Amino acid sequence: QVQLQQWGAGLLKPSETLSLTCAVYGGSLSGYYWSWIRQPPGKGLEWIGEINHSGNTNYNPSLKSRVTISIDTSKNQFSLKLGSVTAADTAVYYCARVFDLYTGYDYFYFDYWGQGTLLTVSS
Amino acid sequence: DIQMTQSPSSLPASVGDRVTITCRASQSISSYLNWYQQKKGKAPKLLIYTASSLQRGVPSRFSGSGSGTDFTLTISSLQPEDFAAYYCQQSYSTPYTFGQGTKLEIK
Repeated sequence: QVQLQQWGAGLLKPSETLSLTCAVYGGSLSGYYWSWIRQPPGKGLEWIGEINHSGNTNYNPSLKSRVTISIDTSKNQFSLKLGSVTAADTAVYYCARVFDLYTGYDYFYFDYWGQGTLLTVSS
Repeated sequence: DIQMTQSPSSLPASVGDRVTITCRASQSISSYLNWYQQKKGKAPKLLIYTASSLQRGVPSRFSGSGSGTDFTLTISSLQPEDFAAYYCQQSYSTPYTFGQGTKLEIK
């Protein structure tokens, strides 16, 4: 059974950098993309970006200038950095596995999720 | 970006009811549509993928249908544990986008 366990700082001041890590247990990073998704309090879900085991990344253009997603295959972990945070970045951040159901076409969905980490940005 | 619009935003219902949530995409996304359930304080849980395929372990009272721009999630007979928020999500193209959510509430 695949499990994702995430951790990182929960309280930042404006302009600081968010740093989160997600460890994957019970499975390999290989063969999948791995995503970060966030959810502001009481609001919907926003996809931040993804990375595969080779280090190929895709980012949401709305956050691309401030986001870096990296991967450490030796530790079976991947990480998120979000720079210059503001109050608008206050949210629960989730890591998730992107499953590719290939049937001649690539159908992607998020099948395993981390437990979530609440980031609060406040001066 | 592809915009996903769910309706209704809130849905009061009772145990045993049949309920339907709709999701509309701003452009055709074929069957690249997934549904998630989220309970308070928890991560979303995958229910339906490719518009109509039931994820392993999900009760058969959940079903999905649609293609192109219009999709539905149906719960045939609401159970107490089904009161939660539901989100659709398109995987046709990045950035992946979600609907704003439908909160299923006890009437």
